[in-house]
This record gives sequence, C-alpha cells and structure tokens, in this order.
Amino acid sequence: ETGVTQSPTHLIKTRGQQVTLRCSSQSGHNTVSWYQQALGQGPQFIFQYYREEENGRGNFPPRFSGLQFPNYSSELNVNALELDDSALYLCASSLDPGGRLGANVLTFGAGSRLTVL
Amino acid sequence: TQLLEQSPQFLSIQEGENLTVYCNSSSVFSSLQWYRQEPGEGPVLLVTVVTGGEVKKLKRLTFQFGDARKDSSLHITAAQPGDTGLYLCAGRAGGSYQLTFGKGTKLSVIP
Repeated sequence: ETGVTQSPTHLIKTRGQQVTLRCSSQSGHNTVSWYQQALGQGPQFIFQYYREEENGRGNFPPRFSGLQFPNYSSELNVNALELDDSALYLCASSLDPGGRLGANVLTFGAGSRLTVL
Repeated sequence: TQLLEQSPQFLSIQEGENLTVYCNSSSVFSSLQWYRQEPGEGPVLLVTVVTGGEVKKLKRLTFQFGDARKDSSLHITAAQPGDTGLYLCAGRAGGSYQLTFGKGTKLSVIP
C-alpha cells in the first residue's frame, strides 16, 4: 500500500508567477485535503476535494485553486504568487470527507516546499 | 474563528525526563488529534480522542481530552531521543471537514 506522494519536493518561483503542485492519494482513499504550513506555524486548511469537487474551503483567496481527478489524485494551483505564499504545502488523503464524529483519519504526504522570491 | 493554543512552544529536556504538552481552546471540538512531525516530513497521526474526559495511552505517551472538549494534553514518560519532533494538536468542530491545527510544540530530547 503506497502512501501519499507529492511533487515537486522543492521549488523556487518569483512574485507574480504561477505554480502547480501535485498529489497522489493513498490507495483506497477518495478525499484529498490541502494545507499550507508556514515556517514555525501549524498547517492551515486550504480546501478539500471529494468526488472531483471542492467541498470545503479555508480562509484563502480565489487565486488558490485545485482539481481532483477520477483516480483521486489532486493538484493545487496558486496564481499571482506573493512572498507570503512561501511555505510547505501538505496534501493529505482520507477514506472519506469526514465531518462525522471521530472520523476522517488523514494521511499526509511529505509536502512541497515553495519559496517565492 | 476557532483557535488552538499550544504550550510550551519549545521544550528541551534530558533523556529520561517526563514532560507534558498542552493544547487549549475556547471552542468545543467534536474530536481532537495529536500528530508528530519530523523535519522534511508530513505530520503523522498519533491518536484521536473523541469523548470528553477520554484518556488514551500509546506506550509512553498518554493523551487526555478535557471534560468540556476544549483542551487536551500529551504526557510523555521517560522521554527518549526518538521522541524529538514537532507535536501538533488539531481539532475538528462538529460537522466540519476542516482540521484546525495549533502552532505546535517543538520537543528536543538530549541524550
């Protein structure tokens, strides 16, 4: 059983550019969530995808967008990059969207570290 | 906005010592999870607590969920260098898909 894999592991962009980060979910998992972890902070929820649709979003602007594909893999796209977007972007997959009491165990990938210059 | 405050932020102890890490909020959570994150890795789930007052043990780690489901603690007995890492608590409000994380406690256990 493979875990969650993310690519690329590291990348450097400049302000105003666009970036796409990719995530392959753990085998058998149909839900993908994305989190942003700035240096010295805990992860912050960006959004969640289930059945190829966004079904929950945190406090992030529309320039953060995503996709989920029929094989449950996912992409995170960030347009018009800003310096504050520099962070570790974590993808987590789960068996279902959760929201039920005690449910939704997340398996995290190792993350993609984005540096914006 | 639901916030989780973790304390202490940093903790450096000698091997063999005991320690407690705290996670507090003014909000009620339907469940609370503890994760450990090592450098260059994603968080790994240690435990989920669901019922107010619940206590769970994982070898030398003891997790407690407050009676009012607003706070939690993690106690480590006889810490070992392998316990070194960032400990994160994360709560989920009832019916929400979103996990709210604390900022974490960075633990260093010195041999």
